[in-house]
Order: sequence, then C-alpha cells, then structure tokens
Amino acid sequence: EVQLVESGGGLVQPGGSLRLSCAASGFTLSSYWMHWVRQAPGKGLMWVAHMKSDGTITTYADSVKGRFTISRDNAKNTLYLQMNSLRADDTAVYYCSGRGFDLWGQGTLVIVSS
Amino acid sequence: DVVMTQSPLSLPVTLGQPASISCRSSQSLVHSDGNTYLSWFLQRPGQSPRRLIYRVSNRDSGVPDRFTGSGSGTDFTLNISRVEAEDVGVYYCMQGTHWPPWTFGQGTKVEIK
Repeated sequence: EVQLVESGGGLVQPGGSLRLSCAASGFTLSSYWMHWVRQAPGKGLMWVAHMKSDGTITTYADSVKGRFTISRDNAKNTLYLQMNSLRADDTAVYYCSGRGFDLWGQGTLVIVSS
Repeated sequence: DVVMTQSPLSLPVTLGQPASISCRSSQSLVHSDGNTYLSWFLQRPGQSPRRLIYRVSNRDSGVPDRFTGSGSGTDFTLNISRVEAEDVGVYYCMQGTHWPPWTFGQGTKVEIK
C-alpha cells in the first residue's frame, strides 16, 4: 500500500527543537518532489518546505527560512523536517505530501508552549 | 507571492443540489511550459487533505464525476453537480505555478443545510 506516515510531533518549549519524520511505503520517496505543509489549529493549509526529487533544490516559506531544514534518507525512504528556534506560531499539524500533493500523511501535531 | 482568494468561505448546500466554489489568483497561473498548475483539495473533518483535481480540470483517481474543475488564467471554479453527504468538509484551491511558495486559498467550508 502506498502511504506516508509522519511521526515526531509533541510538546516543545519556545526556542526548542524537534525533528519530524515522514516514512514512505509502497513507493520510492526520492522519485518525487516532497513537501511539508502545516495547519494551525482551526486554520487553513500553509506550505512550509519542499525538496526536489534529486535532492538538489530545497525551498522554504519565508516564515521558517533559516530555522527549518528539510532532508531525506534514501536508504530509509524517509523525509525529515528539522525545526529549530520554535515559536508559538509554529504550533500546527504538520503533513508531508508528495507526488504533486496527491499523497498525504495523517499529520503529526507540534505544540510550542511553555 | 501569488495570493489565492476563494469565495464563498462558507457554503450551506442542500443534498442533491449543485454547489460552486470560486478561486481567483493574484496573477495568471499559466506556466511557461503551457500548463496551469491549479489544484483542488477536500479536507473532511478530522482527516488529511485529499487532492480532487489537478491542472485545473483533471480528476484524480476515484474522484466522482460530479466534481468538475474549470477556469483559466486567474479565474477558476470547482463545481459539484449534486452534493452528497460525503462532500462535507473544507475545500482548498492551490497554485503550483509560481513557486516558492506554493499557496493555498483560505478554504471554503461546505455543510449540509
């Protein structure tokens, strides 16, 4: 079965760090452009970061640039989002998505609070 | 950044009746390759988003044919010919022509009257 499964969310204090994982199964993650998209509680969807299939290009939303890093482990078929210097407004459900946003994971909740 | 504006933001509908959602972009979504990268998504309550339509009018696998996407340039529409109970949720349009960033509309909440 083709699927994406996120993990790594949780409660973190402002200024802290967290690494999200997105494990792919049923397809090779490195064959597709992959994205992280987030949704703050009760709000709409916001694109966060992207990695080109060959890994040569990564792009970020201005609000996370310099704080978040998207990466990939081809051997584990897993996408990551390293989040540093977290702020309260980073609180959201984080989804990974691929295949032109055709595939989405179930999301993982990140809460930034003291 | 391209701003995507949806209307209405709330859409009460009667089962079996048609529904229409508009999405306007702040600039043309025609890419230099000739394609228009405008997609529609449905997020049912408590679920992840699901893509319904890509490149304006192409339905994804398994999407009922009562969903139709249309439009060009800066003006796009998602039509539901006869609303069913499973169509309830929030609909988003998204552009992928002028990236980064990929940008979503604010969302249109469809509910049954």
